[in-house]
Amino acid sequence: AQSVTQLDSQVPVFEEAPVELRCNYSSSVSVYLFWYVQYPNQGLQLLLKYLSGSTLVKGINGFEAEFNKSQTSFHLRKPSVHISDTAEYFCAGGSYQLTFGKGTKLSVIP
Amino acid sequence: DTGVSQDPRHKITKRGQNVTFRCDPISEHNRLYWYRQTLGQGPEFLTYFQNEAQLEKSRLLSDRFSAERPKGSFSTLEIQRTEQGDSAMYLCASSLVMGNEQFFGPGTRLTVL
Repeated sequence: AQSVTQLDSQVPVFEEAPVELRCNYSSSVSVYLFWYVQYPNQGLQLLLKYLSGSTLVKGINGFEAEFNKSQTSFHLRKPSVHISDTAEYFCAGGSYQLTFGKGTKLSVIP
Repeated sequence: DTGVSQDPRHKITKRGQNVTFRCDPISEHNRLYWYRQTLGQGPEFLTYFQNEAQLEKSRLLSDRFSAERPKGSFSTLEIQRTEQGDSAMYLCASSLVMGNEQFFGPGTRLTVL
């Protein structure tokens, strides 16, 4: 069965500190990987995607992720977070039928 | 590009009633997807269309659920005889091709009393 696992349900971090949100995928998931952000009562917005090529992917709002095939991971990072980054982040994989993780709530503390 | 729109944004209904949701995708997108998101969970795939053809349905999509995309443009999702367990956010997304970015709408939040 396809699965995407987000290892942390909540991550608190101080403003301007770095953050890493972890994501592991099962090898049965098609290796198209995505990170989405969801603000309260809104739909999902794409942060970045990995389809092929370079394993380091840069996205919007200063986020980046690294695809690691040997560890089946696709962790999301940002070197310095802002209050406005407070939201829920979802890792997803698949080609048409996306399989999502359960989400990680990022709380940025002033 | 006005993005994916969904209507209504909120729906409260009584158990046993039928409800219908509408999704308008980005105009040039030929693929349209429906997902369901319950509290504390990530979205779960329900079904998807390529143009007007419904190509796949999840096991989550019981026989009380039906989706259509009659002219390959907007889509509707109908739930018959709603149950309290149907309470969720129903998300619609569209894309150009497989493996490419799915653009999500704001969702329809359904509450079944």
